[in-house]
Amino acid sequence: GENVEQHPSTLSVQEGDSAVIKCTYSDSASNYFPWYKQELGKRPQLIIDIRSNVGEKKDQRIAVTLNKTAKHFSLHITETQPEDSAVYFCAASGYSTLTFGKGTMLLVSP
Amino acid sequence: DVKVTQSSRYLVKRTGEKVFLECVQDMDHENMFWYRQDPGLGLRLIYFSYDVKMKEKGDIPEGYSVSREKKERFSLILESASTNQTSMYLCASSFRSSNEKLFFGSGTQLSVL
Repeated sequence: GENVEQHPSTLSVQEGDSAVIKCTYSDSASNYFPWYKQELGKRPQLIIDIRSNVGEKKDQRIAVTLNKTAKHFSLHITETQPEDSAVYFCAASGYSTLTFGKGTMLLVSP
Repeated sequence: DVKVTQSSRYLVKRTGEKVFLECVQDMDHENMFWYRQDPGLGLRLIYFSYDVKMKEKGDIPEGYSVSREKKERFSLILESASTNQTSMYLCASSFRSSNEKLFFGSGTQLSVL
């Protein structure tokens, strides 16, 4: 089955800095790569996703890049704000269910 | 707005008890899922269902079963609760395609003593 590795497990940045979270996947048939954000005590929510026919997707301060050859994808957050503090999960799927990474706790200090 | 509602936010049970976790969605989604969330382990899939009366094992089904008698309701059952099943349980739903946005419930924190 699919295996998704996510790094780092914890990331601390200063407000205004950029943050990058990286994920690798094992199944070359995977074609859908979403990112979920989970604030403390809240449910995970989809923030951005990318499909394998696209190399990059951007939505305001967040962007996701995908390298199918290397089987890795990354989440980029620019101009971080304290409200970006949360746990972020990457995931991958092909023709079956999503496999999630173990999560990255992002801490943005004012 | 899609609503995925889990019946309990916190639950405390004793070892050996039979435990029912209920999940209801109001968006006529075909797919429903039960995940377990533990610190450092991410979200792990327990069971899922693509239709009424159908169920499929996920990555960690041991010690659990599920029931889907109606499209909107998906129940997770712990036949005989054990302390290693203490965890946060998240229900989710989505439309039929596997590559669709998941809508999560707010979770049930289960403690088994």
